Amino acid sequence: ELKVEQNPLFLSMQEGKNYTIYCNYSTTSDRLYWYRQDPGKSLESLFVLLSNGAVKQEGRLMASLDTKARLSTLHITAAVHDLSATYFCAVGNFNKFYFGSGTKLNVKP
Amino acid sequence: ETGVTQSPTHLIKTRGQQVTLRCSSQSGHNTVSWYQQALGQGPQFIFQYYREEENGRGNFPPRFSGLQFPNYSSELNVNALELDDSALYLCASSLAALAGGYEQYFGPGTRLTVT
Repeated sequence: ELKVEQNPLFLSMQEGKNYTIYCNYSTTSDRLYWYRQDPGKSLESLFVLLSNGAVKQEGRLMASLDTKARLSTLHITAAVHDLSATYFCAVGNFNKFYFGSGTKLNVKP
Repeated sequence: ETGVTQSPTHLIKTRGQQVTLRCSSQSGHNTVSWYQQALGQGPQFIFQYYREEENGRGNFPPRFSGLQFPNYSSELNVNALELDDSALYLCASSLAALAGGYEQYFGPGTRLTVT
């Protein structure tokens, strides 16, 4: 079964700092997703990455995909408190989807 | 354009009972996936329905079953409830061919508590 590992699981950072969340997966996949989840809420789609070398950016978040290394990164630039949430990566493999355990991000004002 | 809706919002059941959760897809979407998210965990894929047929299944026992209707709405049925079934159940819709889809849009979820 495909495994998805995220690290770190918890991240506490100061506003204005940069950081990267890593997502490794165990077997070939044709697409990778990043989601945000606020406490008690559903999942909000951030990025869908479909090919090797894909890079997408939205505001202070940038996601990239390296299919050869089976690695995706979510880079946070100049963090602000509003980015505090849990971030999940998910991998699509045929008609099944596999989520990581999530990275709980706390940005301190 | 309406988003993905789920009902009920919250539900409390007793061990051994059966439950049905409902999901209405986003307008125009023909694929629905269901997930179980235990507290503090990532969502676990239960199954996916495409044009009324099950199109992929995760590691869940047969007592988890589903339906998709001609209007692409969907139900998740769980028989013989166990305490470990307590979780947030999420459905997600997408517009997909058999490849399993690209972007998924999640509903607000149903919080199921089994006592």
